[in-house]
Amino acid sequence: GQQVQQSPASLVLQEGENAELQCNFSSTATQLQWFYQSPGGSLVSLLSNPSGTKHTGRLTSTTVTKERRSSLHISSSQTTDSGTYLCAIDQQGTGSKLSFGKGAKLTVSP
Amino acid sequence: EAGVTQSPRYAVLQEGQAVSFWCDPISGHDTLYWYQQPRDQGPQLLVYFRDEAVIDNSQLPSDRFSAVRPKGTNSTLKIQSAKQGDTATYLCASSFQYEQYFGPGTRLTVL
Repeated sequence: GQQVQQSPASLVLQEGENAELQCNFSSTATQLQWFYQSPGGSLVSLLSNPSGTKHTGRLTSTTVTKERRSSLHISSSQTTDSGTYLCAIDQQGTGSKLSFGKGAKLTVSP
Repeated sequence: EAGVTQSPRYAVLQEGQAVSFWCDPISGHDTLYWYQQPRDQGPQLLVYFRDEAVIDNSQLPSDRFSAVRPKGTNSTLKIQSAKQGDTATYLCASSFQYEQYFGPGTRLTVL
């Protein structure tokens, strides 16, 4: 079955609202990463967070390894945040074999 | 510093045709990855190289797909006799040590 499950599959917000994206994984994850993919664009790593809480800019990720879940919180969303957010786990800890979820499509309206 | 470049950006084929995708990784990156990303799915690793050696190609459909990286720099992914199920975006990524950097992808449509 799917190793990495993300929810919601899609989310529509008004500019300024906050977004909360969830990632659940079925295997032990040595590393967990959140990526952003713009419409028709390449993937960009947002942050790596194997456990605990990490902040970067308006993004906050919280990973609870024992419960095999991670969340990504986007505060004060902007139209430029629109795109797909993907969660990926790395079971080996080498960064080489990433297993991705299907992604969460975020649309932020002005 | 130039990022990962891929060409072509788009390809449209009839079933049974062959196609090649080309990837130029970031200079100095020893590891190169090819992913297949069907529409509304996450990327799935097909094969990856360290220098010129294939490290893992277990997810590469070997009967029709092949990938090479002869000098440990650029890489080519080839599909012989494409099928409609191959319709997807093909992403190349490179890394040195841990973080992977992705190219813009090649969007393939097989009619």
